[in-house]
Amino acid sequence: ELKVEQNPLFLSMQEGKNYTIYCNYSTTSDRLYWYRQDPGKSLESLFVLLSNGAVKQEGRLMASLDTKARLSTLHITAAVHDLSATYFCAVRPGGGKLIFGQGTTLQVKP
Amino acid sequence: DTAVSQTPKYLVTQMGNDKSIKCEQNLGHDTMYWYKQDSKKFLKIMFSYNNKELIINETVPNRFSPKSPDKAHLNLHINSLELGDSAVYFCASSQGARVAEKLFFGSGTQLSVL
Repeated sequence: ELKVEQNPLFLSMQEGKNYTIYCNYSTTSDRLYWYRQDPGKSLESLFVLLSNGAVKQEGRLMASLDTKARLSTLHITAAVHDLSATYFCAVRPGGGKLIFGQGTTLQVKP
Repeated sequence: DTAVSQTPKYLVTQMGNDKSIKCEQNLGHDTMYWYKQDSKKFLKIMFSYNNKELIINETVPNRFSPKSPDKAHLNLHINSLELGDSAVYFCASSQGARVAEKLFFGSGTQLSVL
């Protein structure tokens, strides 16, 4: 059974600090997605990574994909309170259904 | 204009009742989905339709029946509601079922079964 595991599941950090969220998946997938969900809200697409070595950056967030290691990272640089949310990675093996990780809840404290 | 809209946003009902959630997308997408998010925020796909045709049907009780009258709409009907059905249900759409397209999600329907 395909598994998508995120680490950590909960992260509390101070503003201005850097941190990385990890996403491991158990089967071949050459595409990986990152989504953000604010409390009580919908999911918003952040990044779509389509190939090995892909790196995408938007503001203080940078995502990368290593398909050989079956690992994606979401790096947060100089965190600010507005980044507080739950972040999900997801894979779509064979282009079919999207399989989500458990989510990482990020809390950025002033 | 909301790209993927679902109604109602909140649904509180008694066990044993039958209820429906509606979803519409105005993005011109061919594929629509229903996802269930449990109290631990875990998201799991339930169904997917491509051009009104069912293409993904996960292990979901047959009390759940999706209906797609056209490719812009995917409704979810639930019979004989149970306590365990309480969750947030998200509708989503994408351009295709097998392309590297991101999914666009609706705002969710929080279902509470009492």
